[in-house]
Amino acid sequence: DADVTQTPRNRITKTGKRIMLECSQTKGHDRMYWYRQDPGLGLRLIYYSFDVKDINKGEISDGYSVSRQAQAKFSLSLESAIPNQTALYFCATSASDTEAFFGQGTRLTVV
Amino acid sequence: DQQVKQNSPSLSVQEGRISILNCDYTNSMFDYFLWYKKYPAEGPTFLISISSIKDKNEDGRFTVFLNKSAKHLSLHIVPSQPGDSAVYFCAASGHTGKLIFGQGTTLQVKP
Repeated sequence: DADVTQTPRNRITKTGKRIMLECSQTKGHDRMYWYRQDPGLGLRLIYYSFDVKDINKGEISDGYSVSRQAQAKFSLSLESAIPNQTALYFCATSASDTEAFFGQGTRLTVV
Repeated sequence: DQQVKQNSPSLSVQEGRISILNCDYTNSMFDYFLWYKKYPAEGPTFLISISSIKDKNEDGRFTVFLNKSAKHLSLHIVPSQPGDSAVYFCAASGHTGKLIFGQGTTLQVKP
């Protein structure tokens, strides 16, 4: 089983719809992150959380919200999806100042 | 404002030769630097890291060099192998704990 699991792996949704991307990890790490990848822009940080009660905005948080339901679970929501949120989304987890472990990604298309 | 920059979108080298991937950063508070490798349809995987107290870290065929005065780091792969063909991301973190990535460089190693 993967250490970091993202669901769904692929999703097509319509403009204006609400969508939630889920992430769970079995590493026992406190820190969790959500990134999006776009061609030529690399991985950009959306939100991050250092423990269940700690949520922080990243570089591009507008249009997104998150929920840290438990140490192992960190979900990303798009309240009203728009086409420029079409991207590859990655969840990651780390233990303090060490390398982050990534999920396999969710390919989201907003039409 | 891109705090971590990889100015070369792509690099092509011959098998057996050295691959050098470069990364620049602007935030002098960064104190930990990482390189990740990403294959298509997979999440990024950790490759090698370096703390700001060092200027070199080596792991097999992979060596990372850090030049703090120039705010520059590089990843050397020698000898390069066709299986090294992937997208390489550099990343940096500091006292905030946020992990910030560059845009990525696509490496192609030709047989």
